[in-house]
Amino acid sequence: GNSVTQMEGPVTLSEEAFLTINCTYTATGYPSLFWYVQYPGEGLQLLLKATKADDKGSNKGFEATYRKETTSFHLEKGSVQVSDSAVYFCALSDGNSGNTPLVFGKGTRLSVIA
Amino acid sequence: NAGVTQTPKFQVLKTGQSMTLQCAQDMNHNSMYWYRQDPGMGLRLIYYSASEGTTDKGEVPNGYNVSRLNKREFSLRLESAAPSQTSVYFCASKFRQGQGYGYTFGSGTRLTVV
Repeated sequence: GNSVTQMEGPVTLSEEAFLTINCTYTATGYPSLFWYVQYPGEGLQLLLKATKADDKGSNKGFEATYRKETTSFHLEKGSVQVSDSAVYFCALSDGNSGNTPLVFGKGTRLSVIA
Repeated sequence: NAGVTQTPKFQVLKTGQSMTLQCAQDMNHNSMYWYRQDPGMGLRLIYYSASEGTTDKGEVPNGYNVSRLNKREFSLRLESAAPSQTSVYFCASKFRQGQGYGYTFGSGTRLTVV
């Protein structure tokens, strides 16, 4: 079945540091890939997505590239801010079926200190 | 246009009590999902519904029942609550977006079973 593996946290960075959160996936078809963010006490917000190989999703300074050859969708940001402190979830959805659900990784907690 | 609405936002139950978590979407989406979020476990699928009148089990269905009586509403019922069901519950709906799919999440229900 489909699955997502992301690096375990917590990750603690100083402000303006470079961020990478690794995400790899296993899927039988051609999935769409997502990064969701959950700020403290809130629900999930879509951060970015990519629907096919070599697509790059980007938003709020975050980027992730859909790499089919390495089955990866690593999240990066060049300079993090304290306001980026949150839990980040990598997820996939089977793009060929309307019924299959979103499958999540376990989440990575990021803390950015000033 | 409220998106996905979940009620209640918070609930405390005693072991053995029953309750229904409500979820409604006003976007005419076919597919709807219930997830639970636990620390270090990410979001795990409880049940989903591909269309009105149909439901399917997800990864962790034991102890839950669902009902999809119409396109708009998808409820989750705990018949006899247990402390292991203490969690944050999220409802989501799915829609076609370009070559893939998008998902809209509710703001969650924080349930504590004592």
